[in-house]
Formats: sequence, structure tokens, C-alpha cells
Amino acid sequence: SQTIHQWPATLVQPVGSPLSLECTVEGTSNPNLYWYRQAAGRGLQLLFYSVGIGQISSEVPQNLSASRPQDRQFILSSKKLLLSDSGFYLCARLARDRGHNEQFFGPGTRLTVL
Amino acid sequence: TQLLEQSPQFLSIQEGENLTVYCNSSSVFSSLQWYRQEPGEGPVLLVTVVTGGEVKKLKRLTFQFGDARKDSSLHITAAQPGDTGLYLCAGDFVTSGTYKYIFGTGTRLKVLA
Repeated sequence: SQTIHQWPATLVQPVGSPLSLECTVEGTSNPNLYWYRQAAGRGLQLLFYSVGIGQISSEVPQNLSASRPQDRQFILSSKKLLLSDSGFYLCARLARDRGHNEQFFGPGTRLTVL
Repeated sequence: TQLLEQSPQFLSIQEGENLTVYCNSSSVFSSLQWYRQEPGEGPVLLVTVVTGGEVKKLKRLTFQFGDARKDSSLHITAAQPGDTGLYLCAGDFVTSGTYKYIFGTGTRLKVLA
């Protein structure tokens, strides 16, 4: 089976501190991976996606960055967190089934910036 | 630009009532998915619809894809408290030669016992 792990599950950080969120995928190779942010009770905002090692596309300008150091590892980072970075961060992989695309999500990381 | 609008945004109903959630777009989608998300968890895929006019049923949930593949609906019969959650539609399409997969604005459903 294909599983997505996210670490940590929850995080409380002060403004101006660095950030590193990790997403790892099991059971598949060369997946397309995505980082989303979700504000409380709202829809998903796509932040970054990656089609392979070292390949990152950014959807919105912000103080976050992403990296894909290994095939099954996707990392979301920041050098200095802002209050507005608080939210629920979700990692997802793309699956293709009978010619159409679906996304499967990890359990998420709840980030609170104080 | 948000291309998938969901309505209503919020819905609070009593157990046993029926409800319909809508997902609308001006774009044609090659397929459309519905997800349910519970608080503190990632969205879980419920169903994929592919063909215009397609209807799929998942227990008390009925999903329909519009004939023109620009809209979809989710109907829940005899809602139960366990149906509470955030419902998201999503789909993939190609614009200006670029593949995009986008999510709707979400419908937050609360079913009261």
C-alpha cells in the first residue's frame, strides 16, 4: 500500500524562527508531490508541487520554500516564520487511475506561529 | 483565480434530513473528485466521476457529474452525525497547455443528533 507520513503532527513556533516540515511517501516511486496550506475551516491553497528530485514549482509567492532531496521526501521550509504562516499543512501525492488523476493526503501538520 | 465554487459554504441540519452540495465551474474537467475531511485530518477521497452525466452511489451518498463536465453535485440521504465534515470537490483540467488540479472552496457540513 502507498502511505504518506508527515512530521511533526503539531508545532508551535515563535515569529521569526525557522521551519522544517517533512513529508515522506512509501510504496511508490517517482511520485508527484504537493504541499497545501489550509486555514481554519477553509479550502486548500496549493503552495508547491514537485515532479521529481530537485524539481520544485511554486504556486504563490511567500516566505516559504520547498525541496525534494530524495525521490520520496518532500520538505517545506522557512527561514523566518510569520504569524500568517499558521495553518494546517498537508502533503499529497498524485495517483493516476484509469486515465484520471486523484490525490491522496498525509495526516497533516498543525502549525501555530505565536 | 478560484475556478471551482462550492455551495453552500456552510450547512447545519438535523439528523435524518437530506441535503445537496454543489460544485460549479466555467471550465470543463476531465474528471472530478469529492473528498471529505474531518477536523485535524487530511482529506479522504470519496469518489471520482469521469463521464458527463455519470451518477455514482456510495451508501447514502449520490454523486453526479454534469452533462457538460463543468459541475457536480453530492446528495446525502438521511444525514447522520457521522457525515459531519468538510466536503471538497476537486478536478483536473488543462489550461493554456498546462495541467492543473484544483480544489473547490469547500462546504462545511454539521449534522445534529
